[in-house]
Amino acid sequence: AQKITQTQPGMFVQEKEAVTLDCTYDTSDQSYGLFWYKQPSSGEMIFLIYQGSYDEQNATEGRYSLNFQKARKSANLVISASQLGDSAMYFCAMREIYNQGGKLIFGQGTELSVKP
Amino acid sequence: DTAVSQTPKYLVTQMGNDKSIKCEQNLGHDTMYWYKQDSKKFLKIMFSYNNKELIINETVPNRFSPKSPDKAHLNLHINSLELGDSAVYFCASSQRDRGIAGASTDTQYFGPGTRLTVL
Repeated sequence: AQKITQTQPGMFVQEKEAVTLDCTYDTSDQSYGLFWYKQPSSGEMIFLIYQGSYDEQNATEGRYSLNFQKARKSANLVISASQLGDSAMYFCAMREIYNQGGKLIFGQGTELSVKP
Repeated sequence: DTAVSQTPKYLVTQMGNDKSIKCEQNLGHDTMYWYKQDSKKFLKIMFSYNNKELIINETVPNRFSPKSPDKAHLNLHINSLELGDSAVYFCASSQRDRGIAGASTDTQYFGPGTRLTVL
């Protein structure tokens, strides 16, 4: 069964430092996609970054990068040069490419607090 | 321009009432979803529609009935509301993948959410 695990309920980071948010997943499929979303206190879900299971290079989007280790089934999000506005809940999610309907399976989330 | 919009943003109602939440997307996507976020922030799929056809119904009570009049709209109607229905409901949309491994075109974009409170 598909499963996403985020083991860090809460994280603190100093402004301007880098932080890694952990995500491990479990799937028996070879083709899948991994996503990270940010949910600030205002409540909306903001797409950050995507990694396909066949992508050979780690995805990057501005200050966000995804440390994809396929053999270990991990897809950690790295935020460089943290800003106060990065304080939010972060969700890792997975979608199996061939599953019916394309549903996302979410992890429990990690609440990140950036300290000034 | 709002990509995925939901109305209302807040909904407070009494137990036993019937209510609807509307969702519209202007991204040209062919697949829309409803997710429920509970009080512990856990997100779970409820329904998925592709081109107005229901393709996921994730063991949701039949008091919940989605309706898709066209592929840009997906509404959620809830009958006989219960206290446990209190949650944030998110609509999302994507372009359904065509089985291409590693396709990034299927990213789901979420609406702002509707916070439902049942008293």
